[in-house]
Amino acid sequence: QKEVEQNSGPLSVPEGAIASLNCTYSDRVSQSFFWYRQYSGKSPELIMSIYSNGDKEDGRFTAQLNKASQYVSLLIRDSQPSDSATYLCAVNTGFQKLVFGTGTRLLVSP
Amino acid sequence: DAEITQSPRHKITETGRQVTLACHQTWNHNNMFWYRQDLGHGLRLIHYSYGVQDTNKGEVSDGYSVSRSNTEDLPLTLESAASSQTSVYFCASSDIALAGEKDTQYFGPGTRLTVL
Repeated sequence: QKEVEQNSGPLSVPEGAIASLNCTYSDRVSQSFFWYRQYSGKSPELIMSIYSNGDKEDGRFTAQLNKASQYVSLLIRDSQPSDSATYLCAVNTGFQKLVFGTGTRLLVSP
Repeated sequence: DAEITQSPRHKITETGRQVTLACHQTWNHNNMFWYRQDLGHGLRLIHYSYGVQDTNKGEVSDGYSVSRSNTEDLPLTLESAASSQTSVYFCASSDIALAGEKDTQYFGPGTRLTVL
């Protein structure tokens, strides 16, 4: 069974702080990794994709990938109340079949 | 603008009835996917298609079927609805690339299905 593990949270951070979301995966051959944000009652929305080891930055978001440790993370700098949502980690296990974690709920307090 | 739509957005049906959920995308993507989302399970893949006339079973395909007669549409059919199929259903699509920057999946707004 190919698995993606996330801490369900909630992760609570004050406004302006850095939120760190983590994800581990079991399939060593996975090549593509995604972070989706999902607001309550809405559909998943792509935040970041990452394909190579290291960091990838896009605005306030940084994705980090370590294939040797089978670990991918998402950092959100200067967290805002509007960032409060569930963040889904997804791994492409081959031929664009995604396996999702159950998500981490992030709460940013003003 | 290109988009992906689902209909209906909400559906209530009875056990044993056949139900079809529609998914339509104007991205001209070859790949289309159906997921269900349940508390505690996250998103799970039901069926997927890499192109016209191609369909494949996902992780939780029992009781579901799909058909792909054109690029834009992948309807999901519940042959005989069961209470265990009460869920939120999402359709997604992606470009043809097997890997690389084009393999991002874009999701529709979802259909909330209740089976009584």
